[in-house]
Amino acid sequence: DTAVSQTPKYLVTQMGNDKSIKCEQNLGHDTMYWYKQDSKKFLKIMFSYNNKELIINETVPNRFSPKSPDKAHLNLHINSLELGDSAVYFCASSHGRPGLARTEQYFGPGTRLTVT
Amino acid sequence: AQSVTQLDSHVSVSEGTPVLLRCNYSSSYSPSLFWYVQHPNKGLQLLLKYTSAATLVKGINGFEAEFKKSETSFHLTKPSAHMSDAAEYFCVVSVPGNQFYFGTGTSLTVIP
Repeated sequence: DTAVSQTPKYLVTQMGNDKSIKCEQNLGHDTMYWYKQDSKKFLKIMFSYNNKELIINETVPNRFSPKSPDKAHLNLHINSLELGDSAVYFCASSHGRPGLARTEQYFGPGTRLTVT
Repeated sequence: AQSVTQLDSHVSVSEGTPVLLRCNYSSSYSPSLFWYVQHPNKGLQLLLKYTSAATLVKGINGFEAEFKKSETSFHLTKPSAHMSDAAEYFCVVSVPGNQFYFGTGTSLTVIP
């Protein structure tokens, strides 16, 4: 009965490859997020979708493209992977737009991406 | 503009002693405030949240935090540290119509 799940948990790949990370939530939430956590544990918001609409699109290389086929899924596709993309990527979900419903986020377990 | 500052990047306490993790925020609006915990190689788990109700908020695992508007603070405390409390802690602020802003994290070490 995992609330927010991500696949894969670990991803090791070479520079220049294209990879995807999948996220699913079964909480009935309408807003989903992608975060990047660097080696110093700093969390940076990348994207957010509300009801499949992109509402947050931070300064992220256009090699990163989110896709939300429905409210329960938010996938992250990364083209032409670079060494600097190595990080842990977290998916999260919440009920309502950020801040509007004074609601908290629920996080997935993370995907550790290593680019060699 | 909104921001959140966690005043200590590392805190060490002995098992059984009190824990204090400090967080100050800046917000133009009435904020919601959260504390999350991240154990090694795990995702983030909500400890507690403040959303304009009681200023003293109780969370899971014996943690609590007090919202002090005059000091723009939301410090996290626990009376007695346990070994299992060793983790990374994040203070988060959100305001209406905007995103969540994360602090840079505080790493808590508990010494046996």
